[in-house]
Amino acid sequence: DAKTTQPNSMESNEEEPVHLPCNHSTISGTDYIHWYRQLPSQGPEYVIHGLTSNVNNRMASLAIAEDRKSSTLILHRATLRDAAVYYCILKDNTDKLIFGTGTRLQVFP
Amino acid sequence: KAGVTQTPRYLIKTRGQQVTLSCSPISGHRSVSWYQQTPGQGLQFLFEYFSETQRNKGNFPGRFSGRQFSNSRSEMNVSTLELGDSALYLCASSLTGANFYEQYFGPGTRLTVT
Repeated sequence: DAKTTQPNSMESNEEEPVHLPCNHSTISGTDYIHWYRQLPSQGPEYVIHGLTSNVNNRMASLAIAEDRKSSTLILHRATLRDAAVYYCILKDNTDKLIFGTGTRLQVFP
Repeated sequence: KAGVTQTPRYLIKTRGQQVTLSCSPISGHRSVSWYQQTPGQGLQFLFEYFSETQRNKGNFPGRFSGRQFSNSRSEMNVSTLELGDSALYLCASSLTGANFYEQYFGPGTRLTVT
């Protein structure tokens, strides 16, 4: 199973941008890069995904390195509600998601 | 559109008993997956069902089993419960499980084994 590496924790101040990195050097050509987050006492929530090109949606942006061995989730203006554990996952053509330990993001007012 | 629903939300069982958890996916979704979350092991994949067939299975003992019905609803069963089975059990659904489809998670069932 393809694995990802993320920092254990990161901190940000409210309304500042946050860049959450992820390394996935063993990614295969057909794996999509998915990001999920888990707020306290809730199930994981889908954030964004991409294959090769950078992606934007209402929640975040995903920047993917040209060699696809790393990616960065960008929260443009962090809010207190963005405090969560963020998981970077490589997804193949099944729904078998392998969750690592993720990055715990703290947001300070 | 209703989200993924799981029943019951909370459950207390005694060691040795068995338990059945239920998951109703988002309408139209055909892939359902189950995960176990504990403080020590984090989120771990249990199994995935697509069109009533188990497509993937995680590294859990045979006491953990599941099934999917023709309407895509899924159940998971744990027999001979152990204290270590206390966990949050999460169900997730997606359209087909393809790499470009995201999964939607339910709120989970909190199982406590005493």
